[in-house]
Amino acid sequence: GAGVSQSPRYKVAKRGQDVALRCDPISGHVSLFWYQQALGQGPEFLTYFQNEAQLDKSGLPSDRFFAERPEGSVSTLKIQRTQQEDSAVYLCASSFRDLGDSPLHFGNGTRLTVT
Amino acid sequence: AQRVTQPEKLLSVFKGAPVELKCNYSYSGSPELFWYVQYSRQRLQLLLRHISRESIKGFTADLNKGETSFHLKKPFAQEEDSAMYYCALKRTSGSRLTFGEGTQLTVNP
Repeated sequence: GAGVSQSPRYKVAKRGQDVALRCDPISGHVSLFWYQQALGQGPEFLTYFQNEAQLDKSGLPSDRFFAERPEGSVSTLKIQRTQQEDSAVYLCASSFRDLGDSPLHFGNGTRLTVT
Repeated sequence: AQRVTQPEKLLSVFKGAPVELKCNYSYSGSPELFWYVQYSRQRLQLLLRHISRESIKGFTADLNKGETSFHLKKPFAQEEDSAMYYCALKRTSGSRLTFGEGTQLTVNP
């Protein structure tokens, strides 16, 4: 594909519902990141994968957040029992190699609204 | 822990005027600094990184370790430079980026 693809673009969930956000990175990109961007804030790191291995999940705000990348390409960010404070844009980004060597390519994001 | 501060949420200049977007950081090691830009209705994209020491779209940024700053500058702003700009830091070890809160630049005709 031409770039990082995220779906859905918009998601409205009732408080307490589970949601799943999908990210299709650029083909061949080894590194994949998830960021959370609240309104008026910069992106905040959630988690990082190198191929299928989740090397850093220290940014996940609670155990309601879970991410996976089972085959080293597509990744899913799951949020269980959504709360209003989860409302944000969730950004996925990928890079060819480690971030120090190659630029980060971002998707358009999924805007999650929890009502 | 590392931190990136962009003191101006909004910055407005006239076309042709110089522009400087401020970025300060706190980190005890040797960081790698980046500027990312998001134009209206487009995705976030890399503008420049300090190790490249290059000028992109007329923008430059110099890492000043003494002042812990990485300000973004352009001598003559253009209307198409209007966008949200984020400064970001990568630690020596690790892969995550720490972003500032962003500065919305508006270049008026």
